[in-house]
Parts: sequence; C-alpha cells; structure tokens
Amino acid sequence: EAEVAQSPRYKITEKSQAVAFWCDPISGHATLYWYRQILGQGPELLVQFQDESVVDDSQLPKDRFSAERLKGVDSTLKIQPAELGDSAMYLCASSTRGGRGDTQYFGPGTRLTVL
Amino acid sequence: EDQVTQSPEALRLQEGESSSLNCSYTVSGLRGLFWYRQDPGKGPEFLFTLYSAGEEKEKERLKATLTKKESFLHITAPKPEDSATYLCAVQGNYGQNFVFGPGTRLSVLP
Repeated sequence: EAEVAQSPRYKITEKSQAVAFWCDPISGHATLYWYRQILGQGPELLVQFQDESVVDDSQLPKDRFSAERLKGVDSTLKIQPAELGDSAMYLCASSTRGGRGDTQYFGPGTRLTVL
Repeated sequence: EDQVTQSPEALRLQEGESSSLNCSYTVSGLRGLFWYRQDPGKGPEFLFTLYSAGEEKEKERLKATLTKKESFLHITAPKPEDSATYLCAVQGNYGQNFVFGPGTRLSVLP
C-alpha cells in the first residue's frame, strides 16, 4: 500500500539553529500539505502545494519558515532560526488533486523538540 | 470562518461498552467531512469521508453518520486496540483546506 514518507521521525535542536524536514508524497498525488500539530490539538495547515506551486501559505510564519517542492514531487520544510514555541509534530499529507472531498493521506510525522 | 468542535474531550470505556463521539461543525457549504484515527506519536490514519446529510459509512466496529450540523462516530463493542485519538475535519465550499477539530481521546480498558 502506498504511503507518505517523512524524515527524520524525530529531531532535537537548540533554539536559533536551522532544521529541515523532508516529505515524499504518495506517487501520483499532485497536492501536498504541511501541517503543524501541537500536543492535544488538531493539525493546522502551514502550506499547500499544487504540483510545484504554492496555493496557500497564509498560515506559514514566513519570517522563519520556508517550504519548497521544486519538481512537484517531494518537498522540504525549513525553519531558521528555530524557537522554543516551534516544538510540535510536523505532518505531511498528500491528495490526488486537492479538490472536493479529496481525501488527504498523512505521513508518520516529524516530532521536533527545540531546547 | 469554518469551525469544528469535538466532544467529549476524553472518553474512557470498558471493553464491549458501546458509545458515540460527536463532531459539530460550522462551514459555508460542506464539501466533505472526514474522520481520522491517530495513535500517539503517529500521523492520522484515514477512516471515513461523508459528503451529505443522511450519509452513513461503516468499518468493522465503527460507524460514521452525518447531519447538517454534526457527525457522530459510533463505536460498537470496542476493544482495547480501538484506543486512540479520533479527529474530525471539514472541507468547506470556499476553500480546499481541511479544518480539524481538537480530537477525542478514547481509552478502552480490558
């Protein structure tokens, strides 16, 4: 069964350092999402890609976060510099076209701890 | 603005004790309502998609139903392996994005 891959699974860093997360969506899925999930809360969208284009990054803290999907396949989310409040689970999801009722499938996530 | 609330926040059941989880939503035209299961430290696992009021879907011990304002996830004769957080999300007509609720943390005791 096809799955969304993410790495690393866990990341511990000190504040002010740079971190990067990688995601490989299900093959053939044009839409890719990055979410942040704080413990005890539901996921919140950070950025959505359609192929290689950003279609929604309204909730992405652009002063420190960046995301890219250069060839429209895998994607990288970067934080620089990391802050204590960035500690959370970072989830990647993908869907076929992102249209009506299009199911999003999630990867295992990256647990980030900022010390 | 689309909003989703879930209740209860946490639920403890004895094995075999059936119950229901609630997801209430406010959305400008519903494109889809989604249920996910999330185990600790893992990503959400897709369960169901519901599109219109009156629709029902079943999978093993789980049954999801939908009205114009809320959805229920019914769990029949739960087992300890059903313990997880259950997340509800909606997609409205004016955006492609999912809005998630905070989840219900279910514990099923043997």
